[in-house]
Amino acid sequence: GDSVTQMEGPVTLSEEACLTINCTYTATGYPSLFWYVQYPGEGLQLLLKATKADDKGSNKGFEATYRKETTSFHLEKGSVQVSDSAVYFCALSEMNRDDKIIFGKGTRLHILP
Amino acid sequence: GAGVSQSPSNKVTEKGKDVELRCDPISGHTALYWYRQRLGQGLEFLIYFQGNSAPDKSGLPSDRFSAERTGESVSTLTIQRTQQEDSAVYLCASSSRGLAGVGTGQTQYFGPGTRLLVL
Repeated sequence: GDSVTQMEGPVTLSEEACLTINCTYTATGYPSLFWYVQYPGEGLQLLLKATKADDKGSNKGFEATYRKETTSFHLEKGSVQVSDSAVYFCALSEMNRDDKIIFGKGTRLHILP
Repeated sequence: GAGVSQSPSNKVTEKGKDVELRCDPISGHTALYWYRQRLGQGLEFLIYFQGNSAPDKSGLPSDRFSAERTGESVSTLTIQRTQQEDSAVYLCASSSRGLAGVGTGQTQYFGPGTRLLVL
């Protein structure tokens, strides 16, 4: 079945460091890909998404490119801030089904001042 | 309302008791989803509603779990005879996905979750 694999955390970086969180997926169809973020004490929020191959999703300085050839959707940010500390979930949703989301296990990110 | 709301925010119960979790989706959203997040795990899909019907219940872990939706609005997730393994955060999401058979990739908006602890 469909699945999402993302790098395990926690990931600890200093402020202004460069971030990459790896994500790969397995899907039978043509999924949409997402990154969700869960800040401490808050609900899950959509960070960015891409709906077809080579699309780039971006938001709040984060970017991820839908790479069909490598079945990847790595999350990147050039300069992280303390406020980026959160748990990040890579996810997919099949376009020909009921839009249910398949999530990765999440990666906890700590940014040190 | 402005967003998806869930109640209660926290629930502690004894093993064997029944619990009901409530979700109020964003007004006008036809699609509603329940997910579960166990400690150290990703989110697991439980059930999907389109309107008041549930075309996909494939994620419900056992027959102790059931859910209903009324008035194309509020949904309740009921867990009977709770077990310690049911301890998790239960998340609800809604979207404006239409009735078409093809997925639309509509954004799902999540509630804050109900944290359930079964002692």
